[in-house]
Amino acid sequence: GESVGLHLPTLSVQEGDNSIINCAYSNSASDYFIWYKQESGKGPQFIIDIRSNMDKRQGQRVTVLLNKTVKHLSLQIAATQPGDSAVYFCAAKKTGSARQLTFGSGTQLTVLP
Amino acid sequence: NAGVTQTPKFQVLKTGQSMTLQCAQDMNHNSMYWYRQDPGMGLRLIYYSASEGTTDKGEVPNGYNVSRLNKREFSLRLESAAPSQTSVYFCASTHTRQGYYGYTFGSGTRLTVV
Repeated sequence: GESVGLHLPTLSVQEGDNSIINCAYSNSASDYFIWYKQESGKGPQFIIDIRSNMDKRQGQRVTVLLNKTVKHLSLQIAATQPGDSAVYFCAAKKTGSARQLTFGSGTQLTVLP
Repeated sequence: NAGVTQTPKFQVLKTGQSMTLQCAQDMNHNSMYWYRQDPGMGLRLIYYSASEGTTDKGEVPNGYNVSRLNKREFSLRLESAAPSQTSVYFCASTHTRQGYYGYTFGSGTRLTVV
């Protein structure tokens, strides 16, 4: 099976600093990864995705890095803002599993003024 | 475009009571999912429906049943609620665009069983 875990349950950063949230997955057959953001009282929202044939993908203020050798991915948020405070999840899909994602437990990001 | 709509948003049940959580999506998605979210445990799949007319068990199906009523609607039923089913329940759906497998989530139902 697949397990996905985040390295830290909580992370605090100063406003304006960069944030890095790390995630590890267990199944080398995972071929697709997503980062979600969940604000308090809301459902998870898509941030960025990356396929296993890529090492890096950039979005607006966010970058996802994938290291397949050590089965690790990270989400980098540039110039962290108060609105970035939320729980961040990574999710992985195994090759051939249609559209079933396995989710990590989440990292609570707190942005300090 | 409402996306994924879940009802109710909050519910308190007594042990042994039954209820149905409703989910509807207006994005013409084929696949729909029910997850539960508990502190420190992430999202765990209860049931999913890959397409209209099909349903399959996920990681934690015991105590639940589902119905894929039509392409838009996917309901989750608790026949005899237990305190262990206290959780936040999320419905999600996804489309079939090749290369993209992300889900759109509803805003959740917070269920307390006393």
